Amino acid sequence: DVKVTQSSRYLVKRTGEKVFLECVQDMDHENMFWYRQDPGLGLRLIYFSYDVKMKEKGDIPEGYSVSREKKERFSLILESASTNQTSMYLCASRLRGNTIYFGEGSWLTVV
Amino acid sequence: SQKIEQNSEALNIQEGKTATLTCNYTNYSPAYLQWYRQDPGRGPVFLLLIRENEKEKRKERLKVTFDTTLKQSLFHITASQPADSATYLCALDPGNTPLVFGKGTRLSVIA
Repeated sequence: DVKVTQSSRYLVKRTGEKVFLECVQDMDHENMFWYRQDPGLGLRLIYFSYDVKMKEKGDIPEGYSVSREKKERFSLILESASTNQTSMYLCASRLRGNTIYFGEGSWLTVV
Repeated sequence: SQKIEQNSEALNIQEGKTATLTCNYTNYSPAYLQWYRQDPGRGPVFLLLIRENEKEKRKERLKVTFDTTLKQSLFHITASQPADSATYLCALDPGNTPLVFGKGTRLSVIA
């Protein structure tokens, strides 16, 4: 079974802190994604990556950056956390043209 | 602009009946359309994929239709059960760019 593992399930951070959300997939997938999900707004794409060292902006990249140094790992970075970044963050991976596999999600609260 | 809509935010249905969820899109030519299930606090899980040249796909009690002329997909759950209660997401897959998700329909099956 494909497994997408998000390192932290629940985090509480202070405004202005730098936050790292880590994601690892074990199926050698080329494509990886970071979404955030908020009530009434659905899933919104933050960044994605087609391969190692590649990254593309999604629909809402402001305030975020990403890193993909290894194929299996895709990190989301909040450079300076703000309260409006309180959300559930979902990492996902896929082989091109196939279904997408999601992690369990990371609930981030910024206070 | 490109748009994907799931017509109902919430749907209540009696156990044993057929639940029908709708997904409409505009300004897209998707190669595939996918349906996912999401339980509260969890990541979405893949259910079914239907290709643009397929009219219908079935899996156990699930059935998906895809009408590229109407730009619509219908998702049916027959003989619904309380365990089917969840949020269902449709996603457009143009084939070479990230999936675009609808906001979801929250289905409640009442015993």
